[in-house]
Amino acid sequence: AQSVSQHNHHVILSEAASLELGCNYSYGGTVNLFWYVQYPGQHLQLLLKYFSGDPLVKGIKGFEAEFIKSKFSFNLRKPSVQWSDTAEYFCAVNVGGATNKLIFGTGTLLAVQP
Amino acid sequence: DTAVSQTPKYLVTQMGNDKSIKCEQNLGHDTMYWYKQDSKKFLKIMFSYNNKELIINETVPNRFSPKSPDKAHLNLHINSLELGDSAVYFCASSQDRTSTDTQYFGPGTRLTVL
Repeated sequence: AQSVSQHNHHVILSEAASLELGCNYSYGGTVNLFWYVQYPGQHLQLLLKYFSGDPLVKGIKGFEAEFIKSKFSFNLRKPSVQWSDTAEYFCAVNVGGATNKLIFGTGTLLAVQP
Repeated sequence: DTAVSQTPKYLVTQMGNDKSIKCEQNLGHDTMYWYKQDSKKFLKIMFSYNNKELIINETVPNRFSPKSPDKAHLNLHINSLELGDSAVYFCASSQDRTSTDTQYFGPGTRLTVL
């Protein structure tokens, strides 16, 4: 069965530090990849997604992610975090087919200290 | 304007009761979903409907019954509630069932079973 791993469960950074959150998936075929963010008290919203083409994807709020097929990875990055980036970040995979079934990782809680 | 809304936001009830959670989307989407987020923040899909037709039905106890009166609404009815049903339930919608479609999430309903 397909699965998604987010190895960093809790990350604490100071403002202006660089961020990289890991995401690995287990599936040998074509995948569609997503990063969602959940700010405190809010609903999940899409940060960015990858379907095909350039493996470096840019999203909202200065986030980007790189798809490395050989490593089954889709890590999220931001050069300089802000206090407002404090949130839970979820990686998700969709293996295509006839349904839009998202398989989520367990999430990474990012706390940015001012 | 709220895109995907859920009611109620909080639901506290006793074991054995029957309860419903309502979801509505005003995005004109054809596909809707229910996800369960457990205490460890793990998000797992439960059901999906496309134009009122059930297309995803994960391994969920048959005490859970989704109902879609029209494509803008997907309600979740739970019979004989158990302690393990305590979780946050998220509704989502997407334009259609295509695997590359972005899913838009509601604010969640926190269910506590005592």
